[in-house]
Amino acid sequence: EVHLVESGGAVGQPGGSLRLSCAASGFIFDDYSMQWVRQVPGKGLEWVSLISWDGSSAYYADSVKGRFTVSRDNSKNTLYLQMHSLRIEDTAVYYCAKEAVGWQWLFHLDSWGQGTLVTVSS
Amino acid sequence: EIVLTQSPGTLSLSPGERATLSCRASQSVSSNYLAWYQQKPGQAPRLLIYGASSRATGIPDRFSGSGSGTDFTLTISRLEPEDFAVYHCHHYGGSPPTFGQGTKVDIK
Repeated sequence: EVHLVESGGAVGQPGGSLRLSCAASGFIFDDYSMQWVRQVPGKGLEWVSLISWDGSSAYYADSVKGRFTVSRDNSKNTLYLQMHSLRIEDTAVYYCAKEAVGWQWLFHLDSWGQGTLVTVSS
Repeated sequence: EIVLTQSPGTLSLSPGERATLSCRASQSVSSNYLAWYQQKPGQAPRLLIYGASSRATGIPDRFSGSGSGTDFTLTISRLEPEDFAVYHCHHYGGSPPTFGQGTKVDIK
């Protein structure tokens, strides 16, 4: 069974930094691209970033480009999201999600973590 | 960027009734790369439908997806108590992937 467990959510200050982690198990992690999706409580889902199965390619939403960096350590089955220059509008629950199709990217998401809350406030 | 608009915002129905949810794209979705997710309060989204009409593993057959191009529909043939939730559509296969704003199905 696929398990994705996010951590690292916290209260951060505007302009500050946070790093989120997503520990994966139950599947061959380095066969699948992974994504980060966020959700302001009570609102819709917003795609944030994706990274290819081998870490060679990464894509970002315009709203986070230049501030957030996605990475992965396939030896540790872990996905990361380094967040810099935090803004109030980055406040959201951040989900990591597994793509459904191996060795490709930009597919649908068949497994999601439970999410971790990032609050940006002074 | 493809903008997805879901309607209605809220659908109030009784158990046993049929639910029809709409997702309209601002431009044609290539290869019908359109998915639907269900989300209950405090939970992560769960994949229901991908490729516009293919049910994900373990999803009951009362859930069905249809449509192509710019107009897509999720139908729940007979609502069960556990189906009252928020439903999101999702365009993938292009960058950036986008989501609709969600449709809440609540108990009438």
